[in-house]
Amino acid sequence: DAKTTQPPSMDCAEGRAANLPCNHSTISGNEYVYWYRQIHSQGPQYIIHGLKNNETNEMASLIITEDRKSSTLILPHATLRDTAVYYCIVRVAAVGHDMRFGAGTRLTVKP
Amino acid sequence: GAVVSQHPSRVICKSGTSVKIECRSLDFQATTMFWYRQFPKQSLMLMATSNEGSKATYEQGVEKDKFLINHASLTLSTLTVTSAHPEDSSFYICSARDRTSEKLFFGSGTQLSVL
Repeated sequence: DAKTTQPPSMDCAEGRAANLPCNHSTISGNEYVYWYRQIHSQGPQYIIHGLKNNETNEMASLIITEDRKSSTLILPHATLRDTAVYYCIVRVAAVGHDMRFGAGTRLTVKP
Repeated sequence: GAVVSQHPSRVICKSGTSVKIECRSLDFQATTMFWYRQFPKQSLMLMATSNEGSKATYEQGVEKDKFLINHASLTLSTLTVTSAHPEDSSFYICSARDRTSEKLFFGSGTQLSVL
């Protein structure tokens, strides 16, 4: 699976959009981009995933660049409860079905 | 949504004893479950992949005789930490793959403290 690079930490003001970047320059054509988050002392929570098109759900939007070498997770109106570690994971969907987590980005939403 | 129940949520045990952690898929069948370990301020590390009815596959560096995994049914996998030592103290998390939707769902984790 392709390696991902994320900033170790970010801050965001409550009510503002949080834009979390992820670099995956070695991504292969059949690899998906997944985003999970982990709130302190809880299990990871699935947020969104995509292959090449931008995706949106009730939690977030995922913007994938045309060359697929990077992506951005957008939380449109961050709340204090969005404070968590956010993990960007690239993997082939049909292989292994395991998620291998990197260091992630610790997002702190401030009032 | 689908729920993965992990029990206990927190356990304290004496050094040398064994501890069993259960991971149940409550409203779906899971042919595959995964076990992770997470030390403080670190990321989740995959320990093993558990397939129903067969032996678990362990990641490099994980002792299979110390971390016994049993996946006897489509809704239950157990992780037994045998002869636990203080260095085994960690947050253990399981995930389960829905055999129908192929989506992954995570449990809420078990905090193990070995005294």
